[in-house]
Amino acid sequence: NAGVTQTPKFQVLKTGQSMTLQCAQDMNHNSMYWYRQDPGMGLRLIYYSASEGTTDKGEVPNGYNVSRLNKREFSLRLESAAPSQTSVYFCASSEIGKSEDTQYFGPGTRLTVL
Amino acid sequence: AQSVTQLDSQVPVFEEAPVELRCNYSSSVSVYLFWYVQYPNQGLQLLLKYLSGSTLVESINGFEAEFNKSQTSFHLRKPSVHISDTAEYFCAVTPPGQGGKLIFGQGTELSVKP
Repeated sequence: NAGVTQTPKFQVLKTGQSMTLQCAQDMNHNSMYWYRQDPGMGLRLIYYSASEGTTDKGEVPNGYNVSRLNKREFSLRLESAAPSQTSVYFCASSEIGKSEDTQYFGPGTRLTVL
Repeated sequence: AQSVTQLDSQVPVFEEAPVELRCNYSSSVSVYLFWYVQYPNQGLQLLLKYLSGSTLVESINGFEAEFNKSQTSFHLRKPSVHISDTAEYFCAVTPPGQGGKLIFGQGTELSVKP
């Protein structure tokens, strides 16, 4: 039982390049989330998916797109990377998607945009 | 809208000393409250949460937090810390019915020294 896995662990991009961050969970959870973590700002929600086939914007969605490929996988895409998107990205999942649910986090992807 | 303030960005303590990590929140509606912990180079994991009932909640590794509605606080305490408690601690809130959209504080780095 691997929990939440993320690939890649590290990535360096040049301004304007695109890339997709992958996330998968094996806990049969319905809801999945993408956060970014920046020093002194905690974690901020980028997008979330309450259930398979649905996605919605979080607090900081600009510059990102997401795809809920199936119940297990939730990907985050940067179409044209900018230095402001340098951050650590975390994927999380929860069983039902209710406010009281515990969220389970992956190990993160450290992205640098030059 | 909700916001969370963690009053200390860094807290250095000696092993076996008590510690308190402070968290205050702002919200016009009732909220659920969470503490998550991030050990070095790992994702976040739930430490404890308050949903309703007794205002004092405990974790399995000796931490406790008390919900104080009048002071809008949810401070985290441990009477005697270990080296292994060195980590970053995040306070988070979400209103009921918001589908798990957590609002995080800035984080507090707890550094336990021998």
